Amino acid sequence: GAVVSQHPSWVICKSGTSVKIECRSLDFQATTMFWYRQFPKQSLMLMATSNEGSKATYEQGVEKDKFLINHASLTLSTLTVTSAHPEDSSFYICSAIPGVSSYNEQFFGPGTRLTVL
Amino acid sequence: GQNIDQPTEMTATEGAIVQINCTYQTSGFNGLFWYQQHAGEAPTFLSYNVLDGLEEKGRFSSFLSRSKGYSYLLLKELQMKDSASYLCAVRDSNYQLIWGAGTKLIIKP
Repeated sequence: GAVVSQHPSWVICKSGTSVKIECRSLDFQATTMFWYRQFPKQSLMLMATSNEGSKATYEQGVEKDKFLINHASLTLSTLTVTSAHPEDSSFYICSAIPGVSSYNEQFFGPGTRLTVL
Repeated sequence: GQNIDQPTEMTATEGAIVQINCTYQTSGFNGLFWYQQHAGEAPTFLSYNVLDGLEEKGRFSSFLSRSKGYSYLLLKELQMKDSASYLCAVRDSNYQLIWGAGTKLIIKP
């Protein structure tokens, strides 16, 4: 149980285009999902907390108009990188906390590697 | 500010034991997590400590001392597949996870 999927697993796009990444909890409902970004050889950086039915909470320094988050249902959150630039190239990972997990640990999706040319 | 420190990289030999340390300074404490992350993959949960002491789970054990702001992850009988980054994360008073930069563990035959 507690499986989180992401789609796509990797994407290459041209500078200036927008890219949508989906995060799904496959066997549980998640009122809260988290979006992280990870640059090579660096740790996870929390970008935003996605709450079902309400606006996402963004971390300091993360542009909410550039990284659009929509948590439309209890099993789906999407992250849209708008007008992507090469510096947005990174590994984007989502996570969720199942309501019945032992320690309220986060379960992570497999990640999406974004490359902006 | 909030801070988590762990060594950047460690090297160990297959079959041996390695201890990865983590020290933290956070606003409150609601548990400490260890995650394993293989290159290019998402982190996977290893252990959770909220009370002082040692938690053992197979070849992996995790220790916590809240008074010292210190934890370690102990890996026994190392296998080549244990080569990965090990992330220490602390949940603060707001239930936010504060992540360390990770320790890259290299296992040599």
